[in-house]
Amino acid sequence: ELKVEQNPLFLSMQEGKNYTIYCNYSTTSDRLYWYRQDPGKSLESLFVLLSNGAVKQEGRLMASLDTKARLSTLHITAAVHDLSATYFCAVEGSGGGADGLTFGKGTHLIIQP
Amino acid sequence: KAGVTQTPRYLIKTRGQQVTLSCSPISGHRSVSWYQQTPGQGLQFLFEYFSETQRNKGNFPGRFSGRQFSNSRSEMNVSTLELGDSALYLCASSRVVQETQYFGPGTRLLVL
Repeated sequence: ELKVEQNPLFLSMQEGKNYTIYCNYSTTSDRLYWYRQDPGKSLESLFVLLSNGAVKQEGRLMASLDTKARLSTLHITAAVHDLSATYFCAVEGSGGGADGLTFGKGTHLIIQP
Repeated sequence: KAGVTQTPRYLIKTRGQQVTLSCSPISGHRSVSWYQQTPGQGLQFLFEYFSETQRNKGNFPGRFSGRQFSNSRSEMNVSTLELGDSALYLCASSRVVQETQYFGPGTRLLVL
């Protein structure tokens, strides 16, 4: 059974600081996704990572994937208040996408001015 | 391009009733997946449809069912509702399977 663990689950940080969210998964996966969810809203796709060593960047967010370590990171650079949200990583299992996406429990990020 | 739409957005039912939720995918998307989100269990996969065929099913009881129509629109049905079925039900679409899924706004179901 594919398991996805995120840490930390809760993070409060100040504007201007850098921080990293970690996502570990238990079995081989075809691809890894990062999503953002604002309170009361749906999920917004941020990144999809397809191969070992993949790195994607959008604004102050950068995601990377190490398939050998089964680890993805989401790095936040010089955080701003607008990045406050819950961030989820999700993994698609190998073998034709069986079982859909398996999500981590999410990292609730609060960025304080 | 319009996003994924879900109807209704909010729903209140009582135990024992049944409910049908609807999802219209992004135009051109043929794969539709459903997820349940609760504070306790987080986001859990329900099922995935592609070209009117169920490809995968999550670990949910048979009370949860779904279908997909020829225009890719999908419905999910929950029969004999239980209090624990209260959740946000999210539909997601992608062009084909194993591509980025785009989520709809969700249907918030409250079972009393």
